[in-house]
Amino acid sequence: SQTIHQWPATLVQPVGSPLSLECTVEGTSNPNLYWYRQAAGRGLQLLFYSVGIGQISSEVPQNLSASRPQDRQFILSSKKLLLSDSGFYLCAWSIKGEKLFFGSGTQLSVL
Amino acid sequence: AQTVTQSQPEMSVQEAETVTLSCTYDTSESDYYLFWYKQPPSRQMILVIRQEAYKQQNATENRFSVNFQKAAKSFSLKISDSQLGDAAMYFCALNNNDMRFGAGTRLTVKP
Repeated sequence: SQTIHQWPATLVQPVGSPLSLECTVEGTSNPNLYWYRQAAGRGLQLLFYSVGIGQISSEVPQNLSASRPQDRQFILSSKKLLLSDSGFYLCAWSIKGEKLFFGSGTQLSVL
Repeated sequence: AQTVTQSQPEMSVQEAETVTLSCTYDTSESDYYLFWYKQPPSRQMILVIRQEAYKQQNATENRFSVNFQKAAKSFSLKISDSQLGDAAMYFCALNNNDMRFGAGTRLTVKP
């Protein structure tokens, strides 16, 4: 069966520090991969999505970047965090047209 | 670019009654998929219902059904016999590789 792992669950980082959030998928091949950010009480903002290794589409110009070094690995990074980067980050995967399978999320607080 | 609009930030329904949540979208694609997701306070994303754009028949899942109007680009969710456990944030989503979500509707169920 397919599973998705996202870690850590919570993270507190100082302003200006780097960030690396990792997401891995098991039990499927060549999935579409996604990173979303959700502010408290708000909707899901699509940050990045990938339809294959090395293929990254960026939706919002920002302080973040994403990479897909392996078929089932998706990494969200920042060189220097800003206060505005705080939020709930969700990784997800799908096969085109099918539903998204979500990770459990990472609550990032930048102080 | 694809967009999804939910014009009702909050809705309220009496237990056992019926409520309809609205969603409109915009896409230039002819082949796409539409979804409704539920997000309870746990922040877990739960698929409620899925609709393929090429199918004219409206999708149903037990107490949940949709009114899909392709020409009008409208995709509303009807919840019948509302239960206390239906209280949550509901998100409409459009998928054609890049899964985009609306801003959400917070549904309250009154006993």
